[in-house]
Amino acid sequence: ELKVEQNPLFLSMQEGKNYTIYCNYSTTSDRLYWYRQDPGKSLESLFVLLSNGAVKQEGRLMASLDTKARLSTLHITAAVHDLSATYFCAVDRLAGYALNFGKGTSLLVTP
Amino acid sequence: GAVVSQHPSWVICKSGTSVKIECRSLDFQATTMFWYRQFPKQSLMLMATSNEGSKATYEQGVEKDKFLINHASLTLSTLTVTSAHPEDSSFYICSAPAEQDFQPQHFGDGTRLSIL
Repeated sequence: ELKVEQNPLFLSMQEGKNYTIYCNYSTTSDRLYWYRQDPGKSLESLFVLLSNGAVKQEGRLMASLDTKARLSTLHITAAVHDLSATYFCAVDRLAGYALNFGKGTSLLVTP
Repeated sequence: GAVVSQHPSWVICKSGTSVKIECRSLDFQATTMFWYRQFPKQSLMLMATSNEGSKATYEQGVEKDKFLINHASLTLSTLTVTSAHPEDSSFYICSAPAEQDFQPQHFGDGTRLSIL
């Protein structure tokens, strides 16, 4: 069974601070996804990481993938309130297969 | 723009009612679609994989007679919650694999189902 574990599950941080969300998964996969979900909404794709060592950045968010350690990180730089949301990482066994999601990290950025 | 259209976005109905949710791929063909369920403050859990031209594949613990899936064409999959009860109240989201391996899946906007 493919397991995906995220931590922390809840994160309250002040604006301007940096923090990292971690995502571990239990089986070999070269593909990892990060999504954002706002309350009452569906998922918004943030990053697709497709190979070992992949690093992608968009604004204040940067994601990386270490397939040997089966670990991905989502780093938040100088957080702002607009980043408050729930962030999910997900893994699929093969391209075109269903996704296995982590439990999500609920992020609250406060003034 | 959205490439997977899901309707309705919100349903409120009485216990015992059957509810149909549609998921359409708008500008591509999807031989496979996925149905997820998300309870409040929880993650998305795969319910079933919808396959065009064949039976759906259900995850363990999902009642196939209660959650009927029909993949009527290459652009449409439907999920029917039969005889819905309050415990079926949840957020249902469909998705379709992207056309290219390096692209993320396309998610519908979700359906909020509330059973009174």
